[in-house]
Amino acid sequence: DIQMTQSPSFLSASVGDRVTINCKASQNINKYLNWYQQKLGEAPKRLIYNTNNLQTGIPSRFSGSGSGTDYTLTISSLQPEDFATYFCLQHNSFPLTFGSGTKLEIK
Amino acid sequence: QVTLKESGPGILQPSQTLSLTCTFSGFSLSTYGMGVGWIRQPSGKGLEWLANIWWDDDKYYNPSLKNRLTISKDTSNNQAFLKITNVDTADTATYYCARIKVYYGLGFDYWGQGVMVTVSS
Repeated sequence: DIQMTQSPSFLSASVGDRVTINCKASQNINKYLNWYQQKLGEAPKRLIYNTNNLQTGIPSRFSGSGSGTDYTLTISSLQPEDFATYFCLQHNSFPLTFGSGTKLEIK
Repeated sequence: QVTLKESGPGILQPSQTLSLTCTFSGFSLSTYGMGVGWIRQPSGKGLEWLANIWWDDDKYYNPSLKNRLTISKDTSNNQAFLKITNVDTADTATYYCARIKVYYGLGFDYWGQGVMVTVSS
């Protein structure tokens, strides 16, 4: 199984800050990496698919990058509605595996 | 507009079989390239992928639970199902279903809100 190590687990930031969240795979996942946002009581929302493709309707302040085993989600200027939990998913191979999540909190 | 909604028993006892239903709209599981997956998340813990089913009835299971899982679909009624046999307290979790469009790979694009399931005697 491919292990996904996500960091940090918690992130405290202010509106307007630039933040990055990382996922490291235990082996090459060929850019098959998605990023999701989850708010309490809501369905997870896909932000980025296949490393760097912005989901339709998602603001351009969200971006993704990476290759091989290392991937990053960047939020260029935090907005109040961005405070949520973020997680990654590798879909290069079965079993599909998730990062452990990053809770983004208001400083 | 794609929507998915999970339903389940809420609470069940150890050793029983958990039956979950995913009712969806905005797509068809008879369309080439479409799939539905099940994922769960115990409270305060990470996400675990369980199983996928595809438009052609192909199925993939998480090996860690494979012997206990059965995924199926009812294309006519836009539903997908997951059964987990012989549950115990470790199966207490929020269960999600989500759509896969194979054009984008094996990952999920739209998710349901989830249904909480508690296993307790």
